[in-house]
Amino acid sequence: GENVEQHPSTLSVQEGDSAVIKCTYSDSASNYFPWYKQELGKGPQLIIDIRSNVGEKKDQRIAVTLNKTAKHFSLHITETQPEDSAVYFCAAQPYGQNFVFGPGTRLSVLP
Amino acid sequence: GAVVSQHPSWVICKSGTSVKIECRSLDFQATTMFWYRQFPKQSLMLMATSNEGSKATYEQGVEKDKFLINHASLTLSTLTVTSAHPEDSSFYICSADWTSGNEQFFGPGTRLTVL
Repeated sequence: GENVEQHPSTLSVQEGDSAVIKCTYSDSASNYFPWYKQELGKGPQLIIDIRSNVGEKKDQRIAVTLNKTAKHFSLHITETQPEDSAVYFCAAQPYGQNFVFGPGTRLSVLP
Repeated sequence: GAVVSQHPSWVICKSGTSVKIECRSLDFQATTMFWYRQFPKQSLMLMATSNEGSKATYEQGVEKDKFLINHASLTLSTLTVTSAHPEDSSFYICSADWTSGNEQFFGPGTRLTVL
């Protein structure tokens, strides 16, 4: 079955700097890759996603890149702000199957 | 759009009692709803998948007689934790799919504490 790894587990950046979180997956049949942001005590919030027929997607300060050959995808946050501090989860979904989540990355943006 | 609500947001109960958690999709109809459990500082663990009008599909290791799931309509799914014990204390989160398998939107979660 699908296995998703995520690195780093914790990340601290200065406000205004960029943050990059990388996930690797094992199942080449996976074709949908969402990223979720979870604040303390709340449910995950979908922030961006990408499908396997696209290499990159951007939404304001957030971007996701996908390398199907290497089976990894990354979340890029530019001009980080304190409100970006949260736990970020990546997920991979093989076609017709359930999401498999990564273990999460705790991002701290220091003012 | 794509708002999912959960009720209650938190609940404290005595060991041996049952607790029901509701999950609603407020502005869309969800063919499939998912129930996850999340322990502190851990990732989301899928417990079961439910489709409207049919029996839920449980993940390996999840007791279907302990975690009863009912998906009575396209906008409502319920999870009942029967005979709850302290080890069932966790953060329970539901999600609903937007387009049959992609784009899951999550509810705000329910914190269950069993004394």
